[in-house]
Amino acid sequence: QKEVEQNSGPLSVPEGAIASLNCTYSDRGSQSFFWYRQYSGKSPELIMFIYSNGDKEDGRFTAQLNKASQYVSLLIRDSQPSDSATYLCAASGKLQFGAGTQVVVTP
Amino acid sequence: KAGVTQTPRYLIKTRGQQVTLSCSPISGHRSVSWYQQTPGQGLQFLFEYFSETQRNKGNFPGRFSGRQFSNSRSEMNVSTLELGDSALYLCASSLGRGRTDTQYFGPGTRLTVL
Repeated sequence: QKEVEQNSGPLSVPEGAIASLNCTYSDRGSQSFFWYRQYSGKSPELIMFIYSNGDKEDGRFTAQLNKASQYVSLLIRDSQPSDSATYLCAASGKLQFGAGTQVVVTP
Repeated sequence: KAGVTQTPRYLIKTRGQQVTLSCSPISGHRSVSWYQQTPGQGLQFLFEYFSETQRNKGNFPGRFSGRQFSNSRSEMNVSTLELGDSALYLCASSLGRGRTDTQYFGPGTRLTVL
C-alpha cells in the first residue's frame, strides 16, 4: 500500500464548475500536506499547504484536512482550461507524493 | 529571488555509463531533495540532504548516490546506468525546518539511457 493515495483520473470538469480532488494518507505522523500542480513536461509547482484540521482557502483553491479520517482534499472553484494539469498530493515527514490526479477542464 | 536550477536539462547516455546531475537551491535553503519521475511510477523520493548530511533516503539501489556541498548545492550520481533509469530527475529545495517546510522544484533533468 502506498503511503499517499490519489485517484489517477482523468477527472473531467466543465469550465466554471468545481473540481474536487481527494487524497488519503497512511502515516498518522504526517503533520503537513501539500498540493502541487504539474503541467505536462514541467516540474511541480506548489499550490498550497495545510496542517490544521479544517479548510484553508487561497483564491479559487480550498484545501481541506481531516486528520481523524486521514484525508486531504482540494477544491478548485470556477475551473478554467488553464487548470488542466496533474495535481499531486504530498505528506510531510519523508515527503511522500501521491501518483497524481489528472484534471481536464473542458470548455 | 532566483529559483532552483538544475543542470544539465537534458542528457543522453548509454547503458553502463555513469552520470552526475547538479542542483543549486534557492538562496538560503539548506535542504535539497531528489526525486525520480517516470510515467509508470510517478514521483519517487530518492534522498534528502540537509547541511551536507543525508537526512532521508528512499528505496533505490546503491547505484544512486548524492552529496551536498557547504554552499547547499547538491549533486546526484547514478553509476552503471540501466535502461530503466530513463526518467525526469527533479531536485527540490526548502529551508529544511518546521512543519510548514515547503519544497520548491527545479525544472528537472531529462535523462535518456540508450
